[in-house]
Amino acid sequence: QQQVKQSPQSLIVQKGGISIINCAYENTAFDYFPWYQQFPGKGPALLIAIRPDVSEKKEGRFTISFNKSAKQFSLHIMDSQPGDSATYFCAASMNNQGGKLIFGQGTELSVKP
Amino acid sequence: GAVVSQHPSWVICKSGTSVKIECRSLDFQATTMFWYRQFPKQSLMLMATSNEGSKATYEQGVEKDKFLINHASLTLSTLTVTSAHPEDSSFYICSAVKDTGELFFGEGSRLTVL
Repeated sequence: QQQVKQSPQSLIVQKGGISIINCAYENTAFDYFPWYQQFPGKGPALLIAIRPDVSEKKEGRFTISFNKSAKQFSLHIMDSQPGDSATYFCAASMNNQGGKLIFGQGTELSVKP
Repeated sequence: GAVVSQHPSWVICKSGTSVKIECRSLDFQATTMFWYRQFPKQSLMLMATSNEGSKATYEQGVEKDKFLINHASLTLSTLTVTSAHPEDSSFYICSAVKDTGELFFGEGSRLTVL
């Protein structure tokens, strides 16, 4: 029940295309859903996050879509660039857990020029 | 954003020795820090929650005598891998919680045990 399932495991997108990564969760007590970007040998960096009271959040080229009833959320990267090539992790936490994140399995994104 | 620093960024040690990794919040105080472990091409696995002034809370399956965590001040948590073995080789990452609730990650520390 604590798991967050992420797909696909890897993704290849052409420059300018849309990258879509999906996550699903079971625990309805989760109330914070961030996405992180990680480059090799580096720590993860927060990209964008959403709470269940909204269905979509957009920041620049990054959009989170959230479907509370389906217990799913996704990251859309518009106009994907080679510099976006990295591993992306979704995560979830409960507010009363003080920041304790449960991570998805990760998606290795490669954007081809 | 806030800065969380880890030191060392990489370390190589001999089997049987102990290694200490530091996690510092440079521009904010953090009563709670987290330690994660990440194997190549895998996700981050939470090892323990480090609370300033109290004992760490370990996740199931993590040996607390093997991975000693100390959170002696509001800006510093340390992870000591005791009697390290090759299977302990991994990427260790800490995160710190700001009073706003935001979470910031360190750059990670790569441990290689020979």
